[in-house]
Parts: sequence; structure tokens; C-alpha cells
Amino acid sequence: DGGITQSPKYLFRKEGQNVTLSCEQNLNHDAMYWYRQDPGQGLRLIYYSQIVNDFQKGDIAEGYSVSREKKESFPLTVTSAQKNPTAFYLCASSMMGGSNQPQHFGDGTRLSIL
Amino acid sequence: ILNVEQSPQSLHVQEGDSTNFTCSFPSSNFYALHWYRWETAKSPEALFVMTLNGDEKKKGRISATLNTKEGYSYLYIKGSQPEDSATYLCAFTTSGTYKYIFGTGTRLKVLA
Repeated sequence: DGGITQSPKYLFRKEGQNVTLSCEQNLNHDAMYWYRQDPGQGLRLIYYSQIVNDFQKGDIAEGYSVSREKKESFPLTVTSAQKNPTAFYLCASSMMGGSNQPQHFGDGTRLSIL
Repeated sequence: ILNVEQSPQSLHVQEGDSTNFTCSFPSSNFYALHWYRWETAKSPEALFVMTLNGDEKKKGRISATLNTKEGYSYLYIKGSQPEDSATYLCAFTTSGTYKYIFGTGTRLKVLA
């Protein structure tokens, strides 16, 4: 079955620690996205990537970093510079061709601070 | 800053009732409007993508309409069932960008 796999489902971060959230897709999609959800807010875009080795900042990129070394993988690192990392993180992908393509989502990772 | 508004924020309906929600978006530089259903403990699932003014899409008991000139879309559910309980998200995209701008969603609870 094609889909998007996010891991882990739950993640805990200590103060000053970097953590990496995994996102893998086997849909052969070119575009991948990371979103953050906070209570009472819509999904906010952190980073997106249209092709391998290229990515762009979204609306709330500060304190986060990404890489896109392979088409199927788009890991997100939450750095110690992100002062309020507690949130639900969703990864998504879509076919190349622009934003009239539906996005496919993973099940999400919930990050909490210890 | 582009903003997408959804209303109501939440609602409860009885099984068998029909209901509808609204998604409002900026009418300039419109490219596409997306609807997603997000059930608890699952990932969001695409329902519709609409691009043309006057578009109407239907999937079973769920349908959607689009008015790009005034910047709104309606999602209708006919004869709501408990399995329709979910959060319904809309997302707006503009021409020349690959960004999807999401609303906060409408949380629907269908009571048996």
C-alpha cells in the first residue's frame, strides 16, 4: 500500500536538545511538506520541498531545519532554537504539478518537552 | 497575510440531519480550493479539489460548491451518519506558489 509514514508517533525532547522527526513516502511524489498544529489553530507550514536537494521556508521555519537528499524522505529537525516546540507535526506529500493536487498526509508526530 | 476562515468552529447534529459548513478565502490570485476530512487518530484525507468558479463536486452524501468571485466554498453533508464525525478542513492555494493555506477546521459530531 502506498502512503506516508511518520515516526515516531510520540517524541519527548529535553531542554537544549535537537530532535529529528522522520517522514517517508512511497507514493513517488515530488513535493513534500511539514506542518505544525497547535490547539485552536490551522495547520501552519514549516518547510516544503518540490524536488530533491531543494526546499523552501514556510511561514514558521525559525528553529527548524530539513533535508531532502532522497525523493522519498523529508526529515524535520526541531532544534534547541525552537523555544516552543510542543505541538503536533504532520508531514504531507503531493504530486508535482502545482497546488491543485491533493495532499496526502502521514499520521503525525506529537512532540512534548520534558 | 492570506487567511482562510471556516465556520462554524464546531457543531453537533442528529443522525439523519443535513448540514453545511463554510470556507472563506481571499478571492484574488485564486488557484484551487481543497477540502479534507480528518477523523480522530487518523490522517487527513482529501475529499475535493476545486479550481473553477461554479464548480460542484460530489462524493456519496458529501458535496461541495465553489464561488471564487466572492471567495467562499460550502461543504454539504446530506443525511449525516455517526461515521461522518470528523474535522473538515479547507485549504486555499494561490497561483504561482506551492503553498497550501489551511483554515482551522469545522469539527462535526453526529449523534446517533
